Amino acid sequence: DGGITQSPKYLFRKEGQNVTLSCEQNLNHDAMYWYRQDPGQGLRLIYYSQIVNDFQKGDIAEGYSVSREKKESFPLTVTSAQKNPTAFYLCASATSGGMYNEQFFGPGTRLTVL
Amino acid sequence: AQKITQTQPGMFVQEKEAVTLDCTYDTSDPSYGLFWYKQPSSGEMIFLIYQGSYDQQNATEGRYSLNFQKARKSANLVISASQLGDSAMYFCAMREPTMDSSYKLIFGSGTRLLVRP
Repeated sequence: DGGITQSPKYLFRKEGQNVTLSCEQNLNHDAMYWYRQDPGQGLRLIYYSQIVNDFQKGDIAEGYSVSREKKESFPLTVTSAQKNPTAFYLCASATSGGMYNEQFFGPGTRLTVL
Repeated sequence: AQKITQTQPGMFVQEKEAVTLDCTYDTSDPSYGLFWYKQPSSGEMIFLIYQGSYDQQNATEGRYSLNFQKARKSANLVISASQLGDSAMYFCAMREPTMDSSYKLIFGSGTRLLVRP
């Protein structure tokens, strides 16, 4: 089955540690996205990538880093510089180009800083 | 700057009745797209329906329809014959162009819908 997988589902981190969230898709999509969702709020864009080896900052990129070495994978690293990392993180992918750019989402990773 | 507004933090509806979730948007682009997503308690985002700014007719997908009023800049979601499984958060989103000629989505704050048996 085609889709997007994220791991782990739950992640606990101590303050000062970097953690990496995994996102893999087998939909052959060019574009991939990372969003952050805080309780009772909508999604905010962290980073996105339209093509392998290229990515762009979204609206709240500070304290995060990404890589796009393979089309299928777009891992997100939450660094110790992120002041308030506890949140729900969603990865999405979409076909590039065109007006109709429906994004398909993964199941999410809930990160808690202890 | 573009913006999406959902003014209903929470809504109740009786099972089998219809419900309308409000969404207004603000953009200066003549070409745009509007999306509705459902987020159940499990957390994943499920695409429901899409409306393009140049579409002549309101979008429909099964029990979901979009009441698109371009002059008022509103794109309300109508769910007919509500089911218990419709209880979830609902997000309106708009496609926004980026600096590198691609697109991103901006989301409203969501509406929590609770269907009563």
